[in-house]
Amino acid sequence: DTGVSQNPRHKITKRGQNVTFRCDPISEHNRLYWYRQTLGQGPEFLTYFQNEAQLEKSRLLSDRFSAERPKGSFSTLEIQRTEQGDSAMYLCASSLFLGSTGNYGYTFGSGTRLTVV
Amino acid sequence: DQQVKQNSPSLSVQEGRISILNCDYTNSMFDYFLWYKKYPAEGPTFLISISSIKDKNEDGRFTVFLNKSAKHLSLHIVPSQPGDSAVYFCAALDSGGYQKVTFGIGTKLQVIP
Repeated sequence: DTGVSQNPRHKITKRGQNVTFRCDPISEHNRLYWYRQTLGQGPEFLTYFQNEAQLEKSRLLSDRFSAERPKGSFSTLEIQRTEQGDSAMYLCASSLFLGSTGNYGYTFGSGTRLTVV
Repeated sequence: DQQVKQNSPSLSVQEGRISILNCDYTNSMFDYFLWYKKYPAEGPTFLISISSIKDKNEDGRFTVFLNKSAKHLSLHIVPSQPGDSAVYFCAALDSGGYQKVTFGIGTKLQVIP
């Protein structure tokens, strides 16, 4: 298992363009999370999935943001009509949630750094 | 609303000495706490955790202390090594909830050789 994989590692885009990031979680993990980290801040929660169901979305996730996990495996995060304020590191994490037994192996990927120019 | 607070943005420590990183939280529903280490251009990596039923957890050079009544935890690194230089994030979650992790803003540790 190679851990949580995110692609691309870096993305530079012009303001107004759409971008899509991909996250491949650890294969046996049923939960997948997206976070955003801006300079000088800790990672901020955006949304998460349990299998293919999106169970929570942060108010940080505006209408221009959409996330999917169609088959309960990899996930994509799309940002439409990018703005300079969207420039950040987008982090994906996955875990194995076993209900009352616990949540195990919470692991982050290396992130996708987005720069909007 | 900063539910996890790391009030020291940076810390410098001599190699071989103890590093103490502090963290405070406000949400009384948090019952599981984690420390992550982050190098530039990499995602956070898990370091050590503690459940609210404990007040101390030790793993090698790393020890986390939890004071529930004060809503305070600390990470001790003894002895500090230059390779420990990184940003350390304190994080917390409510294991009865959706289990999203709430992070502090991080403390940048520099260990001076």
